[in-house]
Amino acid sequence: DGGITQSPKYLFRKEGQNVTLSCEQNLNHDAMYWYRQDPGQGLRLIYYSQIVNDFQKGDIAEGYSVSREKKESFPLTVTSAQKNPTAFYLCASSTANYGYTFGSGTRLTVV
Amino acid sequence: SQQGEEDPQALSIQEGENATMNCSYKTSINNLQWYRQNSGRGLVHLILIRSNEREKHSGRLRVTLDTSKKSSSLLITASRAADTASYFCATESKSSGDKLTFGTGTRLAVRP
Repeated sequence: DGGITQSPKYLFRKEGQNVTLSCEQNLNHDAMYWYRQDPGQGLRLIYYSQIVNDFQKGDIAEGYSVSREKKESFPLTVTSAQKNPTAFYLCASSTANYGYTFGSGTRLTVV
Repeated sequence: SQQGEEDPQALSIQEGENATMNCSYKTSINNLQWYRQNSGRGLVHLILIRSNEREKHSGRLRVTLDTSKKSSSLLITASRAADTASYFCATESKSSGDKLTFGTGTRLAVRP
């Protein structure tokens, strides 16, 4: 089945620690995105990539980093510089003129 | 920045009734999309309507777009308890670099 897989489903981060969220797609989509969702809120764009080896900052990129070494993969690292990382993180991919396909999300909690 | 704003923020209806959600946006768009999110899950794409279209249907869903008023509505007919979810509109526009900008969503509760 084609789709997007995010892992892990739940992630706990200690203060000062970097953590990496995985996002893999087998849809052959060129574009991939990372969004952050806070309780009762809409989605805010962190980073996006429209082609391999290229990515751009979204609206709230500070404290996050990404890489796009393969078309299928777009991991997100939440660094210690992100002071309020507790949130629900959603990865998506798209192809032109169609809607986005989303993964099932990773819930990150600071402990 | 968030361009789409949904109205109402929350809606509670009885099973079998129709549910209408509205979305307003600020700048010219390429297309507008509606998504559904069950609690704690990812978003599911429902309908995409292009700026030169006025109405689209998909099963029990009907979406209208009024570009002169910069607004859209999502109608769910004959609602079911399984329709309980949050619904988001999202706009794609040149001003956003052809990326989607999401609204804050409408939480729909359908009572059995």
